[in-house]
Amino acid sequence: DAGVIQSPRHEVTEMGQEVTLRCKPISGHDYLFWYRQTMMRGLELLIYFNNNVPIDDSGMPEDRFSAKMPNASFSTLKIQPSEPRDSAVYFCASSFGTANEKLFFGSGTQLSVL
Amino acid sequence: QKEVEQNSGPLSVPEGAIASLNCTYSDRVSQSFFWYRQYSGKSPELIMSIYSNGDKEDGRFTAQLNKASQYVSLLIRDSQPSDSATYLCAVNREAGNNRKLIWGLGTSLAVNP
Repeated sequence: DAGVIQSPRHEVTEMGQEVTLRCKPISGHDYLFWYRQTMMRGLELLIYFNNNVPIDDSGMPEDRFSAKMPNASFSTLKIQPSEPRDSAVYFCASSFGTANEKLFFGSGTQLSVL
Repeated sequence: QKEVEQNSGPLSVPEGAIASLNCTYSDRVSQSFFWYRQYSGKSPELIMSIYSNGDKEDGRFTAQLNKASQYVSLLIRDSQPSDSATYLCAVNREAGNNRKLIWGLGTSLAVNP
């Protein structure tokens, strides 16, 4: 298996633009997590899905953020409109079975909002 | 008080020494504890998990858990330059059917040849 695949690796955009991050989890994994990482706040859980259903989205910063998982092999995280404070590394991770037992992370998307 | 606290470092040790990384947590009901390693510019990867009080050994790594003191540590024996990375402590917080990992900010380790 190729592991968790994220795209794009880097995204530079201007304030106010829409940003869409994509993730393909490991085949067979039933949990998918979106994290944001910054130096000041570390890793923050934004939202997680179990069997494509959102379980906890309490970490989503505000209405500008939305996430979908239309099927078991694809998820998106959208920011609209983007702001400079959204600049961070966004990780997608997946796991199998009981949530959090072992997370497999993608390579991340480095987002810069100018 | 943060839910999961780690010294940010950097922790610097000579090659071959024992590196000791510490983590404290605030939620007394937490049952699962994890250490992830993150190389600069890369994603975190799991290196150890521990669920019961005491020590758990895996190769050069030993995780230690003391639930009474709300303390979990990671020892790296015979440290190698390739161990230079940031080590993230993560604690499972459970509320009903909702489980989520709470992360420390990480400790930066530098192993000097």
